[in-house]
Amino acid sequence: SQKIEQNSEALNIQEGKTATLTCNYTNYSPAYLQWYRQDPGRGPVFLLLIRENEKEKRKERLKVTFDTTLKQSLFHITASQPADSATYLCALADDKIIFGKGTRLHILP
Amino acid sequence: EAQVTQNPRYLITVTGKKLTVTCSQNMNHEYMSWYRQDPGLGLRQIYYSMNVEVTDKGDVPEGYKVSRKEKRNFPLILESPSPNQTSLYFCASSLRTGETNTGELFFGEGSRLTVL
Repeated sequence: SQKIEQNSEALNIQEGKTATLTCNYTNYSPAYLQWYRQDPGRGPVFLLLIRENEKEKRKERLKVTFDTTLKQSLFHITASQPADSATYLCALADDKIIFGKGTRLHILP
Repeated sequence: EAQVTQNPRYLITVTGKKLTVTCSQNMNHEYMSWYRQDPGLGLRQIYYSMNVEVTDKGDVPEGYKVSRKEKRNFPLILESPSPNQTSLYFCASSLRTGETNTGELFFGEGSRLTVL
């Protein structure tokens, strides 16, 4: 069955450093992969999308890579700030959109 | 303002009492979906709809029904709620046609349901 794994439940990063989150998947060939941010008690908010034929995508301090051979996506936040603290979800999309369990990121001042 | 609206936001009910959670979007999106979110289990898809009158099961459809009679609305029906359906529910929509769509999901604010 299809499986998505995000590398850790929680990640603590010092302010100003780069946070790197990992998303691995098996038994799936997604057309594209998405990353979302979710704050406590709120709905997820879309951040970035990367297609299967793209290696890298950037948006301000965010960068996403997509390696279809390794079946892995990396999500980077550079110059991290306490306001970046949230849960980050990766999602794989074809006909359905299915989500990983998320990684809770804490940026420590 | 582009949005997905869910109601009710909070509900406490009792086992077996039928309830409906409404979802409406004002973005003319073809695709709509319901998810439930539980601690340690993440977001799991219940049902989705690619367009009007087209619905499909997600990963956890048991105990739920949906309908898509019009493009903007996608209600979630619990015919006979049970305590294991206590959860946080999210409705989402996206533009899903042609080569130009991104599939980016827009989520509602969530409906927290407690079944006693």
